[in-house]
Amino acid sequence: AQSVSQHNHHVILSEAASLELGCNYSYGGTVNLFWYVQYPGQHLQLLLKYFSGDPLVKGIKGFEAEFIKSKFSFNLRKPSVQWSDTAEYFCAVLGSSNTGKLIFGQGTTLQVKP
Amino acid sequence: DGGITQSPKYLFRKEGQNVTLSCEQNLNHDAMYWYRQDPGQGLRLIYYSQIVNDFQKGDIAEGYSVSREKKESFPLTVTSAQKNPTAFYLCASAHSGQPFSGNTIYFGEGSWLTVV
Repeated sequence: AQSVSQHNHHVILSEAASLELGCNYSYGGTVNLFWYVQYPGQHLQLLLKYFSGDPLVKGIKGFEAEFIKSKFSFNLRKPSVQWSDTAEYFCAVLGSSNTGKLIFGQGTTLQVKP
Repeated sequence: DGGITQSPKYLFRKEGQNVTLSCEQNLNHDAMYWYRQDPGQGLRLIYYSQIVNDFQKGDIAEGYSVSREKKESFPLTVTSAQKNPTAFYLCASAHSGQPFSGNTIYFGEGSWLTVV
């Protein structure tokens, strides 16, 4: 069965620090990968996605992620975080059966100190 | 405005009672989903439906039931058989079709269920 693992459960950074959140998935075939963000009291929102092509994906709000197939990883990065980036971040992979079953990681809570 | 509406936002249930969480969407999406969100465990899929009158179990379906009689509605019943129902429940919907495009998954605001 497919699974997604996020290594960091709680990350605390100061403003302007660089961010990298780890995400690893288990599946040997073609994958579709996503990062979602949930700001306090708000809906889940799509940050970025990877389906094919350039493994470096740019998303909203200055986020990017790199798909490294050999490492089964899809880490999220941002060069300089802001206080408004405080949120919970979820990595997700599209299920192999292609029925739209989206599998999520455990989530990472990011706290940015002003 | 188009979107997904979940109700109620907060619900308290006594042990042994069944409760039903509502999820309605006016996005004309074929697929609908129910997720449960617990601290440190991310979102886990309870049930999903790709088409009216059809649905499949997700990873944690035990103690839950759903129906999909209308395209826009996908209610979730938390039964008394669910041993640990206190959680945050998220409904989502998306266009269906191949290949499936995850960017069209939309989430509702969620429902908090507390068992007292």
